[in-house]
Amino acid sequence: DVKVTQSSRYLVKRTGEKVFLECVQDMDHENMFWYRQDPGLGLRLIYFSYDVKMKEKGDIPEGYSVSREKKERFSLILESASTNQTSMYLCASSSRLAAYYEQYFGPGTRLTVT
Amino acid sequence: LAKTTQPISMDSYEGQEVNITCSHNNIATNDYITWYQQFPSQGPRFIIQGYKTKVTNEVASLFIPADRKSSTLSLPRVSLSDTAVYYCLVGAASGNTGKLIFGQGTTLQVKP
Repeated sequence: DVKVTQSSRYLVKRTGEKVFLECVQDMDHENMFWYRQDPGLGLRLIYFSYDVKMKEKGDIPEGYSVSREKKERFSLILESASTNQTSMYLCASSSRLAAYYEQYFGPGTRLTVT
Repeated sequence: LAKTTQPISMDSYEGQEVNITCSHNNIATNDYITWYQQFPSQGPRFIIQGYKTKVTNEVASLFIPADRKSSTLSLPRVSLSDTAVYYCLVGAASGNTGKLIFGQGTTLQVKP
């Protein structure tokens, strides 16, 4: 079974702090994604990566950056956290060879910025 | 980019068949239709994917009419454990997926 793990289930940070959210997948997937989920808005794509060191902006990249130095790891960075970034953050991965939209999600990180 | 529209919520009873419809009027030729299920405090889980006509697996069936402007997820004989949010996703199978679009999700409540 594909396993996608996220570094924290719950995180509380202060406004202005730099925040790192880590995601690791164990299935050698080429594609990795970061979403945020907010009530009434569903899932929204922040960034995705289709290979090591490659990244593309999703729908809401403002205020975020990403890093993919190794195939199995995809990091989401909040350079200066703000209260409007309080949200549930979900990481996902998928194989390029499989149907592209069969994504496997991690359990999520609930981030609170105070 | 194909935006999706689905009902916000649906109620059902155990043992009934549930059909959730998703509208995607602007679906592109190379777009696939995918459905996910999400339980509280968990990430979404892939249920089924299709391109046209009908697809069936051990969990659900997906019906797609010839014009592909809508699709219907069918859950046979639901149980309480099927209470979840169901998302419809439309997008290309490869290439630029910078604009992955999830629908708003349909909250299905299964009652005893």
